[in-house]
Formats: sequence, structure tokens, C-alpha cells
Amino acid sequence: NAGVTQTPKFQVLKTGQSMTLQCAQDMNHNSMYWYRQDPGMGLRLIYYSASEGTTDKGEVPNGYNVSRLNKREFSLRLESAAPSQTSVYFCASSARTQRGETQYFGPGTRLLVL
Amino acid sequence: LAKTTQPISMDSYEGQEVNITCSHNNIATNDYITWYQQFPSQGPRFIIQGYKTKVTNEVASLFIPADRKSSTLSLPRVSLSDTAVYYCLVGGSFGNEKLTFGTGTRLTIIP
Repeated sequence: NAGVTQTPKFQVLKTGQSMTLQCAQDMNHNSMYWYRQDPGMGLRLIYYSASEGTTDKGEVPNGYNVSRLNKREFSLRLESAAPSQTSVYFCASSARTQRGETQYFGPGTRLLVL
Repeated sequence: LAKTTQPISMDSYEGQEVNITCSHNNIATNDYITWYQQFPSQGPRFIIQGYKTKVTNEVASLFIPADRKSSTLSLPRVSLSDTAVYYCLVGGSFGNEKLTFGTGTRLTIIP
């Protein structure tokens, strides 16, 4: 049981390049999330998927697209990277318990856009 | 989405009890209160979750007053390894699964 996995761990891009960040979870969770975290800041929600086939914008969706490929996988795509997208990207999935949603996070992808 | 307000930073000595309070004045009726811990270069980790009154687990306690407009995370007898950023989130009810992180509280434990 690996939990939430993310690839790659590190990436350097030039402005204008595109890339896809991959995320997978093996906990059979319905909901998945993409966050970004800038240095010294909290996490900001980029996109959210409540179930396979559905996605919803978060606080900072501009410049990103997502695909919920199946229940396990949720990818984040940068079509034309900009230096402002330099950040650490975290993927999460969540389980509904009697008390509410509990999120489980991946290790993060560190992205540098030059 | 319910907004939360926490102190930006706190310092405490080892062995002390630490209480971190979070304000969430516009919490919805069905929202839960969840606390996460984040170490540098890692993703946040779930600590505790509650709806009302008091919840306790092996690492922390969560106190929620009757009006639910605030909550307090209590860490008993902290150690250096508790140095981290602590986030309070509200939400998670059906139809409000999007959870928004605030800036968190940076807790520093002093030897």
C-alpha cells in the first residue's frame, strides 16, 4: 500500500515548455486534489476532483489543466510554464469518514521554471 | 469556503503543553474541523478531526466550543520533533469537500 505517489520528484523547465505531473493513489479514494505551495506559504488549491470523470476549479486554476484518468490517477498539466509557477506541487486524496473528509498527501513535486 | 485565522508563529519549550487556536467564524452547520501537521519538504499529515466538544487521540486533543466558531489544538508535552507548521481547516461536509488551507501556525520548540 503506497498511499499517494507523485512523479517526478523534481523538474526544471524553461518558460513556455509544457509538462504533466502525475499522481496516483491506491486507497480507493473518490476525491483527489492538486495544491501548490510557494516558499513560506500555505497550500493553495488548484483543482479538485470529487469522483472519476469530474473536476472543479480551486483558488488558483489559471495556467493549469487536470485530467481524472480513472479512480486512481489525477494528472496536472502545465501547457506553457511560467516562472510564477515555480512551486512545490502536492497531490492528495481523501476518504470520507463518519467525521468528514480526511486528506492524505503525496511527497510533492518540486518545479523550477526558468 | 470557510476562512480560518491562526497565529502566524508560536514558540514553546520542550515538555510544555502547547495550545494553538483557530478562528472560523463562518463555519457551516455540517463542516468538520481538521488539523494537519507539515514538516519541511513533506506533504501535510492528518493529526485530528472533530465536529464539536472534545476529541482526543494518541497525539493531540481538539477542543471545540458550543458555538463552533473556534477550535484549539492541544499538544501535550511537546518535543523538538513537534517543530512544524500546523494548519486548521474547516469543511469536508457533503458538497463542501474542497478543503482550503490557510497560512498555518509555525510552531518552534526550544530545547
